[in-house]
Amino acid sequence: RKEVEQDPGPFNVPEGATVAFNCTYSNSASQSFFWYRQDCRKEPKLLMSVYSSGNEDGRFTAQLNRASQYISLLIRDSKLSDSATYLCVVNSQDGGFKTIFGAGTRLFVKA
Amino acid sequence: GEEVAQTPKHLVRGEGQKAKLYCAPIKGHSYVFWYQQVLKNEFKFLISFQNENVFDETGMPKERFSAKCLPNSPCSLEIQATKLEDSAVYFCASSQSLGAVNTEAFFGQGTRLTVV
Repeated sequence: RKEVEQDPGPFNVPEGATVAFNCTYSNSASQSFFWYRQDCRKEPKLLMSVYSSGNEDGRFTAQLNRASQYISLLIRDSKLSDSATYLCVVNSQDGGFKTIFGAGTRLFVKA
Repeated sequence: GEEVAQTPKHLVRGEGQKAKLYCAPIKGHSYVFWYQQVLKNEFKFLISFQNENVFDETGMPKERFSAKCLPNSPCSLEIQATKLEDSAVYFCASSQSLGAVNTEAFFGQGTRLTVV
């Protein structure tokens, strides 16, 4: 089993749709959680950190459930420019420090 | 610098040749990470450094791959005797600290290695 697993995708949605991505992690010692966005042939960039209480940034909402070891990202009113790959990232400090990326979920937003 | 600088952007090597990739982290960042991304697939962690010290090398292939971060020099990732399956984009990232919920890793634009 992979340490960080994401929805396989791709997600094809019309503009204005709401889309949710899920991510689970296997290491209960994981400490910090992030969503990164990667555009085609570009480097990943931080979209948002995920806080225990959940957090929102404009149209984006991130949730963390430590008991279930589950992270989600909700995008409301999706735009064409949201088309990208969304990467779930988990930091663990368990004998050593690791940053583990999920495989990413591809999103296509269509007009 | 204000961004992670990776060179070269593209590198083509014949099978069996050596490849050397460079990464200059953001000034003031203590941690450097190397990742391998094959054909837009998932990122594979290779190695991390805390300043010039190896922090975690559990992802590094045992053979052919080596990396260094020396003072006052860009970090480097070297692949001896490249194989076709080494073809990938190699990303370097740096961060100021580890573990904190608001610690962001900043990525370079990557080096695309093609082994022919």
